Amino acid sequence: KAGVTQTPRYLIKTRGQQVTLSCSPISGHRSVSWYQQTPGQGLQFLFEYFSETQRNKGNFPGRFSGRQFSNSRSEMNVSTLELGDSALYLCASSSRGQIEKLFFGSGTQLSVL
Amino acid sequence: SQQGEEDPQALSIQEGENATMNCSYKTSINNLQWYRQNSGRGLVHLILIRSNEREKHSGRLRVTLDTSKKSSSLLITASRAADTASYFCATDQYNFNKFYFGSGTKLNVKP
Repeated sequence: KAGVTQTPRYLIKTRGQQVTLSCSPISGHRSVSWYQQTPGQGLQFLFEYFSETQRNKGNFPGRFSGRQFSNSRSEMNVSTLELGDSALYLCASSSRGQIEKLFFGSGTQLSVL
Repeated sequence: SQQGEEDPQALSIQEGENATMNCSYKTSINNLQWYRQNSGRGLVHLILIRSNEREKHSGRLRVTLDTSKKSSSLLITASRAADTASYFCATDQYNFNKFYFGSGTKLNVKP
């Protein structure tokens, strides 16, 4: 069974631009969560989707948004990029409606210049 | 912040020694998990312990949970160079679908 796939692996953008990151969960997994990891703030929860519905949202500004498609693939979008958005963005999937174990992708390393 | 804190922040040991890292959290939980992250990669789930459990074992891993002190510890016995990674605890804090991660312990196992 293929693992969680995130694309692209690396991304370089400039301030003010927008970016879309993609995540394909493990086949059969219906829940997809997104996390931002930075050296200063650690791992912070962005949002979680289950069956195309956002069930939970973290404390991030509205510039951060996401969606989930009927095949469970998910995208997250960051508009009007700021330098502080530079981070490793991690996607994780889970098979259950009540999540216990997260399966993480390798992440997308975003650098904002 | 609702995130946990891990202690120590960094740990350096020789191969064959045991490694112990601790995690403290702030609110009541349903379960606590430990994850490993190799440099700049995704996290890998290691073990889950429920709030009504006190100790759990998986291979060379031993996890304890003290809900009265809101703390957990992860013990890796007979460590190997391949155990070199960062280790994070994660708690759900009564919301099953949202996890709070600790700040992590960076473990270096010298061959």
